[in-house]
Amino acid sequence: GAGVSQSPSNKVTEKGKDVELRCDPISGHTALYWYRQSLGQGLEFLIYFQGNSAPDKSGLPSDRFSAERTGGSVSTLTIQRTQQEDSAVYLCASSKGLAGGGSHSDTQYFGPGTRLTVL
Amino acid sequence: AQKITQTQPGMFVQEKEAVTLDCTYDTSDPSYGLFWYKQPSSGEMIFLIYQGSYDQQNATEGRYSLNFQKARKSANLVISASQLGDSAMYFCAMREGFGSGGSYIPTFGRGTSLIVHP
Repeated sequence: GAGVSQSPSNKVTEKGKDVELRCDPISGHTALYWYRQSLGQGLEFLIYFQGNSAPDKSGLPSDRFSAERTGGSVSTLTIQRTQQEDSAVYLCASSKGLAGGGSHSDTQYFGPGTRLTVL
Repeated sequence: AQKITQTQPGMFVQEKEAVTLDCTYDTSDPSYGLFWYKQPSSGEMIFLIYQGSYDQQNATEGRYSLNFQKARKSANLVISASQLGDSAMYFCAMREGFGSGGSYIPTFGRGTSLIVHP
């Protein structure tokens, strides 16, 4: 079956512009996660969705970042008034979540990421 | 305190040899899961192997095995018969159980870069 997909794969934008990143999770996965990875760094958690609700937004770095998920499927991460420090790879992952019993064994599957460059 | 510690920023191994990548974790929850992911230069995170805290046997998946030492809180990844395509970043992650009332979000280590030499 299809894995997690993300679009665009690359995005170059000018400082101050808004960008929208899209994630299409594995069908049937109720949990969806957004992470940010700067060059040579580990994963920085941004936000987690269970269904359409976001019980954990603790990782969003500022109010310029927002995310939504509709229909329990596709999610968009929006960055307003982009800054150069927003340049990174944005990774999305999905897992069965509570639909799979919500156990600690729930495996995340990642998309290929969106590489964002803010000039 | 860091929940996942990967002390080796970089590792080198000769092709066809085995290599162990270290991972230690910190939790007071008796119920947790440990994961290893591979991230090649293409950037995609690839799930490799999972170990549950109550699993009696060490997890194995092909050439990957997990050396799970619960008392030491370590979950080292062993790659047998290394191949050139194993060159990548490797991340260890942990999800704690709901019993702790903690977050459903896995915690990731900072990763270990593995280079396999021909």
